[in-house]
Amino acid sequence: DAGVIQSPRHEVTEMGQEVTLRCKPISGHDYLFWYRQTMMRGLELLIYFNNNVPIDDSGMPEDRFSAKMPNASFSTLKIQPSEPRDSAVYFCASSSWGLGNSPLHFGNGTRLTVT
Amino acid sequence: GNSVTQMEGPVTLSEEAFLTINCTYTATGYPSLFWYVQYPGEGLQLLLKATKADDKGSNKGFEATYRKETTSFHLEKGSVQVSDSAVYFCALSAVRGGGNKLTFGTGTQLKVEL
Repeated sequence: DAGVIQSPRHEVTEMGQEVTLRCKPISGHDYLFWYRQTMMRGLELLIYFNNNVPIDDSGMPEDRFSAKMPNASFSTLKIQPSEPRDSAVYFCASSSWGLGNSPLHFGNGTRLTVT
Repeated sequence: GNSVTQMEGPVTLSEEAFLTINCTYTATGYPSLFWYVQYPGEGLQLLLKATKADDKGSNKGFEATYRKETTSFHLEKGSVQVSDSAVYFCALSAVRGGGNKLTFGTGTQLKVEL
Protein backbone atom coordinates (compact mmCIF):
# COMPACT_ATOMS: atom_id res chain seq x y z
CA ASP A 1 0.00 0.00 0.00
CA ALA A 2 1.75 3.16 -1.22
CA GLY A 3 -0.50 5.52 0.68
CA VAL A 4 -2.02 8.70 -0.68
CA ILE A 5 0.33 10.27 -3.19
CA GLN A 6 0.36 13.99 -3.87
CA SER A 7 2.34 15.98 -6.38
CA PRO A 8 4.16 18.23 -6.49
CA ARG A 9 5.54 18.44 -2.94
CA HIS A 10 6.37 22.09 -3.40
CA GLU A 11 5.03 24.64 -5.86
CA VAL A 12 6.17 28.22 -6.19
CA THR A 13 4.33 30.40 -8.64
CA GLU A 14 3.61 34.01 -9.39
CA MET A 15 0.33 35.71 -8.73
CA GLY A 16 -2.10 35.24 -11.60
CA GLN A 17 -0.73 31.91 -12.73
CA GLU A 18 -2.72 28.70 -12.84
CA VAL A 19 -1.79 26.03 -10.32
CA THR A 20 -2.78 22.37 -10.47
CA LEU A 21 -2.33 20.03 -7.54
CA ARG A 22 -2.64 16.29 -8.01
CA CYS A 23 -3.66 13.40 -5.83
CA LYS A 24 -3.75 9.63 -6.14
CA PRO A 25 -5.85 8.07 -3.36
CA ILE A 26 -5.31 4.65 -1.85
CA SER A 27 -6.64 1.97 -4.14
CA GLY A 28 -10.12 0.87 -3.12
CA HIS A 29 -10.91 4.01 -1.16
CA ASP A 30 -14.13 5.58 -2.36
CA TYR A 31 -13.94 8.89 -0.51
CA LEU A 32 -11.47 11.63 -1.33
CA PHE A 33 -11.02 14.89 0.53
CA TRP A 34 -9.06 18.08 -0.15
CA TYR A 35 -7.93 20.12 2.86
CA ARG A 36 -6.00 23.37 3.17
CA GLN A 37 -3.75 24.10 6.15
CA THR A 38 -2.56 27.54 7.21
CA MET A 39 -1.28 28.93 10.46
CA MET A 40 -4.13 31.39 10.67
CA ARG A 41 -7.06 29.11 9.83
CA GLY A 42 -5.79 25.65 10.67
CA LEU A 43 -7.18 22.73 8.65
CA GLU A 44 -10.07 23.58 6.37
CA LEU A 45 -12.04 21.07 4.32
CA LEU A 46 -12.37 22.38 0.80
CA ILE A 47 -14.30 19.63 -0.97
CA TYR A 48 -14.91 15.90 -0.85
CA PHE A 49 -15.90 13.24 -3.35
CA ASN A 50 -17.66 9.91 -3.04
CA ASN A 51 -17.23 7.48 -5.92
CA ASN A 52 -15.76 10.31 -8.00
CA VAL A 53 -18.79 12.56 -7.47
CA PRO A 54 -18.38 15.86 -5.60
CA ILE A 55 -20.59 15.69 -2.50
CA ASP A 56 -19.83 18.91 -0.64
CA ASP A 57 -17.84 21.82 -2.02
CA SER A 58 -19.03 24.39 0.49
CA GLY A 59 -15.48 24.88 1.72
CA MET A 60 -14.12 25.97 -1.64
CA PRO A 61 -13.18 29.59 -1.01
CA GLU A 62 -14.25 31.09 -4.32
CA ASP A 63 -14.70 30.47 -7.99
CA ARG A 64 -10.96 30.55 -8.58
CA PHE A 65 -10.82 27.09 -7.01
CA SER A 66 -12.05 23.98 -8.78
CA ALA A 67 -11.61 20.26 -8.18
CA LYS A 68 -12.19 17.24 -10.33
CA MET A 69 -12.05 13.50 -9.95
CA PRO A 70 -12.18 11.96 -13.42
CA ASN A 71 -11.65 8.43 -12.10
CA ALA A 72 -11.20 6.50 -8.88
CA SER A 73 -7.42 6.87 -8.87
CA PHE A 74 -6.90 10.54 -9.63
CA SER A 75 -8.04 13.97 -8.50
CA THR A 76 -6.92 17.52 -9.17
CA LEU A 77 -7.35 20.80 -7.37
CA LYS A 78 -6.90 23.82 -9.59
CA ILE A 79 -6.48 27.47 -8.68
CA GLN A 80 -6.88 29.98 -11.49
CA PRO A 81 -5.76 32.71 -11.12
CA SER A 82 -3.64 32.18 -8.02
CA GLU A 83 -3.20 34.88 -5.37
CA PRO A 84 -0.68 35.28 -2.53
CA ARG A 85 -3.39 34.50 0.04
CA ASP A 86 -3.69 31.03 -1.48
CA SER A 87 -0.27 30.18 -0.06
CA ALA A 88 -0.78 27.16 2.20
CA VAL A 89 -0.21 23.43 2.45
CA TYR A 90 -2.86 21.50 0.58
CA PHE A 91 -3.61 17.95 1.69
CA CYS A 92 -5.45 15.21 -0.05
CA ALA A 93 -6.93 12.40 2.04
CA SER A 94 -8.90 9.26 1.29
CA SER A 95 -10.96 6.76 3.23
CA SER A 96 -12.48 3.40 2.49
CA TRP A 97 -16.00 4.20 3.58
CA GLY A 98 -17.60 7.31 4.78
CA LEU A 99 -19.24 6.37 8.03
CA GLY A 100 -18.39 8.41 11.05
CA ASN A 101 -15.69 6.15 12.44
CA SER A 102 -13.65 5.64 9.30
CA PRO A 103 -10.16 7.13 9.55
CA LEU A 104 -8.72 9.40 6.92
CA HIS A 105 -5.39 8.60 5.27
CA PHE A 106 -3.52 11.77 4.37
CA GLY A 107 -0.91 12.45 1.75
CA ASN A 108 2.21 14.42 2.62
CA GLY A 109 0.76 17.59 1.16
CA THR A 110 1.71 20.18 -1.43
CA ARG A 111 3.24 23.37 -0.09
CA LEU A 112 2.08 26.18 -2.34
CA THR A 113 3.75 29.57 -2.34
CA VAL A 114 2.27 32.33 -4.48
CA THR A 115 4.46 35.41 -4.83
CA GLY B 1 -22.77 23.14 14.29
CA ASN B 2 -19.91 20.85 15.18
CA SER B 3 -16.74 22.23 16.71
CA VAL B 4 -13.61 21.09 18.51
CA THR B 5 -11.61 23.14 20.99
CA GLN B 6 -8.04 22.24 21.91
CA MET B 7 -5.64 23.76 24.34
CA GLU B 8 -3.25 26.24 22.84
CA GLY B 9 0.34 25.27 22.32
CA PRO B 10 3.15 24.88 22.20
CA VAL B 11 3.41 22.45 25.06
CA THR B 12 7.02 21.91 26.08
CA LEU B 13 7.91 18.93 28.27
CA SER B 14 10.98 17.11 29.38
CA GLU B 15 11.44 13.52 28.30
CA GLU B 16 9.54 11.04 30.52
CA ALA B 17 7.10 13.71 31.70
CA PHE B 18 3.35 13.12 31.78
CA LEU B 19 1.36 14.59 28.91
CA THR B 20 -2.19 15.87 28.81
CA ILE B 21 -3.65 17.73 25.85
CA ASN B 22 -7.20 18.88 26.47
CA CYS B 23 -9.93 18.57 23.88
CA THR B 24 -13.61 19.41 24.19
CA TYR B 25 -16.25 19.23 21.54
CA THR B 26 -19.69 20.40 20.51
CA ALA B 27 -21.68 18.17 18.20
CA THR B 28 -25.13 17.14 17.14
CA GLY B 29 -25.88 13.47 16.95
CA TYR B 30 -23.46 10.83 18.19
CA PRO B 31 -19.94 11.74 17.14
CA SER B 32 -16.92 9.55 16.81
CA LEU B 33 -13.77 11.14 18.20
CA PHE B 34 -10.22 10.98 16.93
CA TRP B 35 -6.71 12.11 17.66
CA TYR B 36 -4.44 12.66 14.69
CA VAL B 37 -0.71 13.40 14.80
CA GLN B 38 1.31 15.40 12.28
CA TYR B 39 5.08 15.08 12.16
CA PRO B 40 7.09 17.82 10.42
CA GLY B 41 6.71 17.77 6.66
CA GLU B 42 4.11 15.04 6.71
CA GLY B 43 0.37 14.64 6.52
CA LEU B 44 -1.81 13.77 9.47
CA GLN B 45 -1.89 10.20 10.74
CA LEU B 46 -4.59 8.62 12.85
CA LEU B 47 -3.29 8.08 16.38
CA LEU B 48 -6.39 6.70 18.11
CA LYS B 49 -10.14 6.83 18.04
CA ALA B 50 -13.27 6.18 20.10
CA THR B 51 -16.69 5.68 18.62
CA LYS B 52 -19.01 5.81 21.62
CA ALA B 53 -19.27 7.15 25.13
CA ASP B 54 -16.84 5.66 27.68
CA ASP B 55 -14.73 4.05 24.97
CA LYS B 56 -10.99 4.39 25.48
CA GLY B 57 -8.78 4.69 22.43
CA SER B 58 -5.13 3.80 22.81
CA ASN B 59 -2.04 3.53 20.64
CA LYS B 60 1.73 3.86 21.13
CA GLY B 61 1.27 4.63 24.82
CA PHE B 62 -1.27 7.39 24.17
CA GLU B 63 -4.79 7.13 25.54
CA ALA B 64 -8.00 9.13 25.38
CA THR B 65 -11.40 8.39 26.88
CA TYR B 66 -14.67 9.53 25.31
CA ARG B 67 -16.47 11.43 28.07
CA LYS B 68 -19.97 12.34 26.98
CA GLU B 69 -20.90 14.01 30.26
CA THR B 70 -18.07 16.51 29.93
CA THR B 71 -17.95 16.43 26.10
CA SER B 72 -14.22 15.80 26.30
CA PHE B 73 -11.59 13.58 24.74
CA HIS B 74 -8.32 14.50 26.43
CA LEU B 75 -5.10 12.92 25.16
CA GLU B 76 -2.70 11.48 27.73
CA LYS B 77 0.63 9.72 27.79
CA GLY B 78 2.45 8.64 30.90
CA SER B 79 6.01 9.17 29.69
CA VAL B 80 6.75 11.20 26.57
CA GLN B 81 9.77 10.79 24.34
CA VAL B 82 11.60 13.22 22.09
CA SER B 83 10.15 11.30 19.14
CA ASP B 84 6.64 12.32 20.26
CA SER B 85 7.35 15.92 19.25
CA ALA B 86 4.66 16.75 16.72
CA VAL B 87 1.37 18.57 16.30
CA TYR B 88 -1.67 16.78 17.70
CA PHE B 89 -5.18 17.33 16.33
CA CYS B 90 -8.42 16.39 18.00
CA ALA B 91 -11.28 15.74 15.58
CA LEU B 92 -14.85 14.56 15.47
CA SER B 93 -17.15 13.02 12.94
CA ALA B 94 -20.86 13.14 13.59
CA VAL B 95 -22.61 10.00 12.41
CA ARG B 96 -25.88 11.84 12.08
CA GLY B 97 -26.00 15.06 10.17
CA GLY B 98 -22.27 15.52 9.90
CA GLY B 99 -21.95 13.58 6.73
CA ASN B 100 -18.55 12.11 6.18
CA LYS B 101 -16.51 15.10 7.18
CA LEU B 102 -14.10 15.42 10.04
CA THR B 103 -14.12 18.61 12.08
CA PHE B 104 -10.62 19.32 13.35
CA GLY B 105 -9.36 21.37 16.24
CA THR B 106 -6.62 23.91 15.64
CA GLY B 107 -3.87 21.55 16.72
CA THR B 108 -1.51 21.56 19.70
CA GLN B 109 2.21 21.52 19.14
CA LEU B 110 4.17 19.29 21.51
CA LYS B 111 7.89 19.76 22.01
CA VAL B 112 9.75 17.18 24.07
CA GLU B 113 13.25 18.03 25.21
CA LEU B 114 16.00 15.88 26.69
